[in-house]
Amino acid sequence: DAKTTQPTSMDCAEGRAANLPCNHSTISGNEYVYWYRQIHSQGPQYIIHGLKNNETNEMASLIITEDRKSSTLILPHATLRDTAVYYCIVREWGRGGSARQLTFGSGTQLTVLP
Amino acid sequence: NAGVMQNPRHLVRRRGQEARLRCSPMKGHSHVYWYRQLPEEGLKFMVYLQKENIIDESGMPKERFSAEFPKEGPSILRIQQVVRGDSAAYFCASSPPGGSNQPQHFGDGTRLSIL
Repeated sequence: DAKTTQPTSMDCAEGRAANLPCNHSTISGNEYVYWYRQIHSQGPQYIIHGLKNNETNEMASLIITEDRKSSTLILPHATLRDTAVYYCIVREWGRGGSARQLTFGSGTQLTVLP
Repeated sequence: NAGVMQNPRHLVRRRGQEARLRCSPMKGHSHVYWYRQLPEEGLKFMVYLQKENIIDESGMPKERFSAEFPKEGPSILRIQQVVRGDSAAYFCASSPPGGSNQPQHFGDGTRLSIL
């Protein structure tokens, strides 16, 4: 799976949009981009994933550049409860029906400030 | 829908004892993954199972660790003769069959402490 690069930490004011970048310049055509977050002492929480089109759900939006070499996770109105480590993960679409494991990097520590 | 259920949430063992960690996947999910998170580190993949089959155990330590996912009942991660270095949070994730781009959903983990 392709390697991802994320900033170590970011701050965001409560109520503002949080934009978390991720570089994945070696991504291949059959690799998806997944975002998870981990709030202290809890299990990772799935947020969103996409292949090449922008995606939106009730939690966030995912913007993938046209060349797919980078993406941005957007939390439209950050709250204090969004403080967590956010992981950007690239995973190959599994062959033969089998699914692949996730490879977690160091992620971005997002701190939402009051 | 109930999420991925792991138990116990906390487990304390003395060196040399056995630890058994259980994971019940989400309803309808037949793929189970185990990950380990050492203190101050990221999650590391251990093993991927489907019902009654180990698909990928490339992340499992060669000795003392084993995993199963029987036809009936939860998946079990078993650690024999535990040592201090086994102290970690162990997370289980599950995903549905079929499309392999389906996201994995995680439980809240078992915190294993070795005295």
